Amino acid sequence: KNEVEQSPQNLTAQEGEFITINCSYSVGISALHWLQQHPGGGIVSLFMLSSGKKKHGRLIATINIQEKHSSLHITASHPRDSAVYICAVKRGGGSEKLVFGKGTKLTVNP
Amino acid sequence: NAGVTQTPKFQVLKTGQSMTLQCAQDMNHEYMSWYRQDPGMGLRLIHYSVGAGITDQGEVPNGYNVSRSTTEDFPLRLLSAAPSQTSVYFCASSYSPTYYEQYFGPGTRLTVT
Repeated sequence: KNEVEQSPQNLTAQEGEFITINCSYSVGISALHWLQQHPGGGIVSLFMLSSGKKKHGRLIATINIQEKHSSLHITASHPRDSAVYICAVKRGGGSEKLVFGKGTKLTVNP
Repeated sequence: NAGVTQTPKFQVLKTGQSMTLQCAQDMNHEYMSWYRQDPGMGLRLIHYSVGAGITDQGEVPNGYNVSRSTTEDFPLRLLSAAPSQTSVYFCASSYSPTYYEQYFGPGTRLTVT
């Protein structure tokens, strides 16, 4: 079983819909990252979380450390949000490695 | 700032050839890492470095070497290319993988025939 599981694998939405992407992990972590990979391949960092909630524009990320779960929400989705969204965790302890989920491919239709 | 740069963008190698993928950053980041991305597999860590002179293995290090002689550069060497190394390679950097944003290079698409 992968240490980081994302759901769903693929998601299709209509413009304007509220989107939720989930990330569950099985190890103790010190931080969780959400990343966006554009259709052209470039990867950008969206959020780094160690507790609570963060908001940037129409994107909201939450984390529940006790339940080992994080969600990425997109409000009022737009076709330009179409991308692969990737969750990554940094294990707790001395490890300096990030472990990645397989990503969720989001398509927002006009 | 140029951010994280990678060269080349595309490369085709024959089995058994060697080459070096270049990665450089100008943000004075201590942490640098190399990943490969394959369909259905997500990003997998090859090697990483927490500072000049310090490197360590990731999940899939076999067939690859790294060195970190300066803070800015972190080249990835393929010793004897194999078709299984056909992939997209990303270099990333940050102040640390814990509490800081990760910056990714544009990627190198490598095909080994």
